[in-house]
Amino acid sequence: DVKVTQSSRYLVKRTGEKVFLECVQDMDHENMFWYRQDPGLGLRLIYFSYDVKMKEKGDIPEGYSVSREKKERFSLILESASTNQTSMYLCASSLEVTEAFFGQGTRLTVV
Amino acid sequence: KNEVEQSPQNLTAQEGEFITINCSYSVGISALHWLQQHPGGGIVSLFMLSSGKKKHGRLIATINIQEKHSSLHITASHPRDSAVYICAVSPNYGGATNKLIFGTGTLLAVQP
Repeated sequence: DVKVTQSSRYLVKRTGEKVFLECVQDMDHENMFWYRQDPGLGLRLIYFSYDVKMKEKGDIPEGYSVSREKKERFSLILESASTNQTSMYLCASSLEVTEAFFGQGTRLTVV
Repeated sequence: KNEVEQSPQNLTAQEGEFITINCSYSVGISALHWLQQHPGGGIVSLFMLSSGKKKHGRLIATINIQEKHSSLHITASHPRDSAVYICAVSPNYGGATNKLIFGTGTLLAVQP
């Protein structure tokens, strides 16, 4: 089974903290994605990566950065967490135009 | 206007009912995806289709490329089908990166 694993299910962080969300996939997929999901807005793409060390901004990259040093791992970084970044964060991976596989999600609360 | 629209946004059904969720999109696509998300859970891919019809158990997905429309049907619905169902498309301008465009989801509640 393809597996996309996110490091935490729930996180509570303080405003101004640097936050790392980790995602690991075990299927040698080139493409990896970070989304946030908010009620009424659906899933919005923050960043994606199509190869090691390659990244592109998605629709809402402000306040976020990413790192992909190894093919299987894609990290989302909140440089200075703010309350408006409280959300559900979902990682996904895929090959080209194929089925996408999602992690279980990380519910982040910034207080 | 969103590029992917779903209807209805909310749906309540009685156990055993036949359920239809609709998805319309306005861009050219390589594929359309139906996804399922249980409360508090991750997202699971149900179908990926580019033409015709696919069936898996009690779930059926159809797509009409000319009309840019897809439907997800659930036959003999059960309370365990209660979830958010999300339609997403792989736009054909996205190339190999498979950047999906998502609808906002349909919240389905099946009552016993």
